[in-house]
Amino acid sequence: AQSVTQLDSHVSVSEGTPVLLRCNYSSSYSPSLFWYVQHPNKGLQLLLKYTSAATLVKGINGFEAEFKKSETSFHLTKPSAHMSDAAEYFCVVSKRNNNDMRFGAGTRLTVKP
Amino acid sequence: DAGVIQSPRHEVTEMGQEVTLRCKPISGHNSLFWYRQTMMRGLELLIYFNNNVPIDDSGMPEDRFSAKMPNASFSTLKIQPSEPRDSAVYFCASTPGTVRGYTFGSGTRLTVV
Repeated sequence: AQSVTQLDSHVSVSEGTPVLLRCNYSSSYSPSLFWYVQHPNKGLQLLLKYTSAATLVKGINGFEAEFKKSETSFHLTKPSAHMSDAAEYFCVVSKRNNNDMRFGAGTRLTVKP
Repeated sequence: DAGVIQSPRHEVTEMGQEVTLRCKPISGHNSLFWYRQTMMRGLELLIYFNNNVPIDDSGMPEDRFSAKMPNASFSTLKIQPSEPRDSAVYFCASTPGTVRGYTFGSGTRLTVV
């Protein structure tokens, strides 16, 4: 079985400061990991994915995440927050080549001017 | 590429009525998923199809819910009879393969009064 835990339900940062959204996973198999973003009243958009290649994954809008097997973590970071980054972020784990994707509970990112 | 197309965007119906939600996946994507999102329960996988065949419907909450995929370009999620607790945003997603992540539609916001 696999699951993810997003350690913070809400993160608030000031514009221009770094963003860190934390995600720990549990998987009996080598996992695929994803981050999705959901803006208000919108669908979910894929930010980035890890599927066994480089452990540091770069995504859209300046986000990146690092797969750390020893820590079972896949934290999402961005050096400098922008107002448009305010949204809900979901960490997702799946078994490779399997459609059983498990979503975390989400982290709401607020960006203050 | 028009993305995953869901209709209607909003649906308001009275308790006891039948509701049909529609989804057109991206052409060439052979897997389709129906999710429900609520504040209380987050994102829940209801059912998914591979090559038009239902693979896992264990997330369908009750027999009032049913889903079909008559061909590769169309799927429906039906609730009959609808109840106020079915009020949620329903998302459809498709993928050519899990490691590539899902593409989500914009969702259908269902309100049952």
